[in-house]
Amino acid sequence: DVKVTQSSRYLVKRTGEKVFLECVQDMDHENMFWYRQDPGLGLRLIYFSYDVKMKEKGDIPEGYSVSREKKERFSLILESASTNQTSMYLCATTDMNTEAFFGQGTRLTVV
Amino acid sequence: AQSVTQLDSQVPVFEEAPVELRCNYSSSVSVYLFWYVQYPNQGLQLLLKYLSGSTLVESINGFEAEFNKSQTSFHLRKPSVHISDTAEYFCALHSGGSNYKLTFGKGTLLTVNP
Repeated sequence: DVKVTQSSRYLVKRTGEKVFLECVQDMDHENMFWYRQDPGLGLRLIYFSYDVKMKEKGDIPEGYSVSREKKERFSLILESASTNQTSMYLCATTDMNTEAFFGQGTRLTVV
Repeated sequence: AQSVTQLDSQVPVFEEAPVELRCNYSSSVSVYLFWYVQYPNQGLQLLLKYLSGSTLVESINGFEAEFNKSQTSFHLRKPSVHISDTAEYFCALHSGGSNYKLTFGKGTLLTVNP
């Protein structure tokens, strides 16, 4: 079975802090994604990566950056956390033409 | 650009009634379509998918969806719902070829009442 592991289930950070969210997958999938999920807005794509060191902006990249130094790991970085980045963050992975597999999510609260 | 539109944000129904959750998409290339379900306080799970072949696809718990290319739709249906089907349902689109972007709709909250 595919396993997608996010480093934290719950996280509380202060405004202005640099925040790292880590995601690791064990299925050698090419594509990895970061979404945020907010009530009434569904899942919005922040960034995705289709290969090591390759990244593309999603629909809401502002205030975020990503890093993919190894195939199995995709990191989401909040350079300076703000309260409007309080959300549920979901990592997903997929190979070409297959369904996505999701991590358990990280609920980030910025105070 | 690709997009997914779920036409209903909330659908309340009574137990044993039929239900249809609507999904329309927009894409300039061939598509792969998915329905995901999120039960309360849980992660997203795949419900069913259309990749190719038969346009009618089914899940193990009685849901079905039909890919309609002319109407660019992928509506989800169940003839008789249970209380346990209460969840949020997300339609998603993944374009083939070199575009790997996976796009979700805003979700439909299905509430099954006794």
